[in-house]
Amino acid sequence: KQEVTQIPAALSVPEGENLVLNCSFTDSAIYNLQWFRQDPGKGLTSLLLIQSSQREQTSGRLNASLDKSSGRSTLYIAASQPGDSATYLCAVSPGAQKLVFGQGTRLTINP
Amino acid sequence: DAGVIQSPRHEVTEMGQEVTLRCKPISGHNSLFWYRQTMMRGLELLIYFNNNVPIDDSGMPEDRFSAKMPNASFSTLKIQPSEPRDSAVYFCASRPDRVSPLHFGNGTRLTVT
Repeated sequence: KQEVTQIPAALSVPEGENLVLNCSFTDSAIYNLQWFRQDPGKGLTSLLLIQSSQREQTSGRLNASLDKSSGRSTLYIAASQPGDSATYLCAVSPGAQKLVFGQGTRLTINP
Repeated sequence: DAGVIQSPRHEVTEMGQEVTLRCKPISGHNSLFWYRQTMMRGLELLIYFNNNVPIDDSGMPEDRFSAKMPNASFSTLKIQPSEPRDSAVYFCASRPDRVSPLHFGNGTRLTVT
């Protein structure tokens, strides 16, 4: 059974810092991996999608990497801003249609 | 595009009552998913549909839960009878195909007293 773990559960950093969020999964046989953002009281917004054949994806200040062999992904946020404060979730697709989610990292950027 | 639309946004009901949650996926999206989110268990997949056909309902917790997708633009999740432990945020999500990102609605916050 695929399990997804995100560490740390919460992170607080000052504005302007670069930061890395971590995601690990137990079964390397995945179809793709997605990073989402969730604001309080809202649904999830997809940030980046990495296919299993890819190593990384970039969108603006965000960069996500994927290392299937080690079962790890990272989300790098450059020059963090208070508006980046949210919960970030990682999800893997274990070959079928479904996604398995981690518990998320709650990020706070302090002005 | 209006995105995935869920209704109602909030639902408060008494134990034993029937609850129906509604979802309109994004036009052209062939797959629809129902998730439940709680603090203790995080996001759990309840059921998903491909081309209106239920593919995997192994996440549906009990027979009290049922889901339908009568056409490509509408789905319902029904709980009958509801119990306090069903209190959670229920999300609907859709995507056009397996290689595309998943789009979520804003969820329905269900409280069963």
